[in-house]
Amino acid sequence: AQSVTQLGSHVSVSEGALVLLRCNYSSSVPPYLFWYVQYPNQGLQLLLKYTSAATLVKGINGFEAEFKKSETSFHLTKPSAHMSDAAEYFCAVSANTGGFKTIFGAGTRLFVKA
Amino acid sequence: DAGVTQSPTHLIKTRGQQVTLRCSPKSGHDTVSWYQQALGQGPQFIFQYYEEEERQRGNFPDRFSGHQFPNYSSELNVNALLLGDSALYLCASSLAQSNTGELFFGEGSRLTVL
Repeated sequence: AQSVTQLGSHVSVSEGALVLLRCNYSSSVPPYLFWYVQYPNQGLQLLLKYTSAATLVKGINGFEAEFKKSETSFHLTKPSAHMSDAAEYFCAVSANTGGFKTIFGAGTRLFVKA
Repeated sequence: DAGVTQSPTHLIKTRGQQVTLRCSPKSGHDTVSWYQQALGQGPQFIFQYYEEEERQRGNFPDRFSGHQFPNYSSELNVNALLLGDSALYLCASSLAQSNTGELFFGEGSRLTVL
């Protein structure tokens, strides 16, 4: 079975500061890991994905995440926050157990202060 | 290239009623997953349809049922609505032959149960 834990339901940073959103996962089989972003009243949009090709994954809008198997973590970072980054971020884990089933974390709302 | 489309976007029902939500997957996709997202929470997996059959199911009661049509579109039906069924219902499509299970989301159907 898979599960995802996102540490911190809310994170607040100043514009230009480092963004760090934490995600830990559990999976009984080799996982695929994702970060999705959700803007108000919209569906989810893929930011980046880990598919075992490289442990450091680069996504859209300057975001990146590093897969650390020993720590079962997949934290999301961005060197410099922009006002437009304010949104809800979801970490997700997927595994092929007779078809892929993707499980999401509870989400972290990112606030960016001017 | 049409993305995932869902209808209706908003609807209001009363307790005990039944509702049907519809989803058209992204062009070329053959798998549809449904998620329930309550306010302030992450998406919860309801079920997944592939080849017109329910392939996987989350921890939802039998009041939640679905269907997939030959053109890969899908419906989610909820019977005997409860106040707690109020949520954003997200449809996500994917390709069964994908090696990661990456999901593409619609913008959701917001259901309010009074």
